[in-house]
Amino acid sequence: DAGVTQSPTHLIKTRGQQVTLRCSPKSGHDTVSWYQQALGQGPQFIFQYYEEEERQRGNFPDRFSGHQFPNYSSELNVNALLLGDSALYLCASTQNVLRAEAFFGQGTRLTVV
Amino acid sequence: AQSVAQPEDQVNVAEGNPLTVKCTYSVSGNPYLFWYVQYPNRGLQFLLKYITGDNLVKGSYGFEAEFNKSQTSFHLKKPSALVSDSALYFCAVYQAGTALIFGKGTTLSVSS
Repeated sequence: DAGVTQSPTHLIKTRGQQVTLRCSPKSGHDTVSWYQQALGQGPQFIFQYYEEEERQRGNFPDRFSGHQFPNYSSELNVNALLLGDSALYLCASTQNVLRAEAFFGQGTRLTVV
Repeated sequence: AQSVAQPEDQVNVAEGNPLTVKCTYSVSGNPYLFWYVQYPNRGLQFLLKYITGDNLVKGSYGFEAEFNKSQTSFHLKKPSALVSDSALYFCAVYQAGTALIFGKGTTLSVSS
């Protein structure tokens, strides 16, 4: 049973560029959440997708956007990258939007130079 | 607003000794509480959760956690630490209709 998979594992971008990160949820899960983990910090909630719609959003600017596809996979897009966007981006999936137990992917390490 | 506090940045224990990683929370209503572990350059792995019921929760790899409502605490414990337990540990709280809120993490270092 494949768990949550994320791609790519590492990424280097230049300030001002745009980036897309991808996530496939655990089999049987239909809800995907994205988290940003800056160095030395706990993960911070970005947003959650369920039924192809953004259901909840944390305190992140509109430069952060996402999408969920009919197969439940998801993308995180970040526009106009800033140095401060450098972080580990984690995708988590749950069995449905009401379930709390989340399974995390290994993350995408984004470095903005 | 919900919040989670992990008062120790680092906990050091010798192999074979008991370990405790502390967590306190602030939330209105009944919380769902979680512990996750993170190894270097990896995602988070679920250890255990408290939803309701027995205040002592048993989880993966011999870890357990004690829910104390009066002290709003959810400390992670293990009777005998292993060197392989060395990692970054996160406590998190969840309420229905919200997302997981994480503490800043505690680095556990187990020496041989």
